[in-house]
Amino acid sequence: AQSVSQHNHHVILSEAASLELGCNYSYGGTVNLFWYVQYPGQHLQLLLKYFSGDPLVKGIKGFEAEFIKSKFSFNLRKPSVQWSDTAEYFCAVRPYDGGGSQGNLIFGKGTKLSVKP
Amino acid sequence: ETGVTQTPRHLVMGMTNKKSLKCEQHLGHNAMYWYKQSAKKPLELMFVYNFKEQTENNSVPSRFSPECPNSSHLFLHLHTLQPEDSALYLCASSPEGGGNIQYFGAGTRLSVL
Repeated sequence: AQSVSQHNHHVILSEAASLELGCNYSYGGTVNLFWYVQYPGQHLQLLLKYFSGDPLVKGIKGFEAEFIKSKFSFNLRKPSVQWSDTAEYFCAVRPYDGGGSQGNLIFGKGTKLSVKP
Repeated sequence: ETGVTQTPRHLVMGMTNKKSLKCEQHLGHNAMYWYKQSAKKPLELMFVYNFKEQTENNSVPSRFSPECPNSSHLFLHLHTLQPEDSALYLCASSPEGGGNIQYFGAGTRLSVL
């Protein structure tokens, strides 16, 4: 079965530190890739997405992610985190089947980020 | 505000109760979804509706019964739930089925006693 792995359950950083959250998926075909963020008490919202083209994608609030097809990875990065980045981050993958049909979103377990002021 | 509204935000129910969760989207989307979010587990897709037709039932127990009267409204009817059903239930919508970009509501926090 297809799955998404997020390596870290909880990451604690100080403000201005750099961030990299890992995401790997298990599917050999074409995929769309997403990172969603859930701030405390708020709804899940899209941070960035990759459909095709440049594998380095930029999202909101200074976040970026790089798709490395050979590693089945889509890691999220930010050069300098802020206290307001404290949230839970979810990687999601949408596979395409052999007929070109889109599957449903498959989510990872999430990584909780705590940024100390 | 995402354009997807869920009510109630919090719900406590006994195992013999019957209750319903409501989701409404104001985005003109044609697909709606129910997810279950439990601590330390991936979001679990429960149901998908596309143009009011159920296109996915992800092996969900029959004590959860979805209803989609139109493309803007989605309900989840609950009866004889178990304590392990306690979780955050999220509704989402997207322009069409298959997911593209999904917009999520804030969720209903359900506690089953």
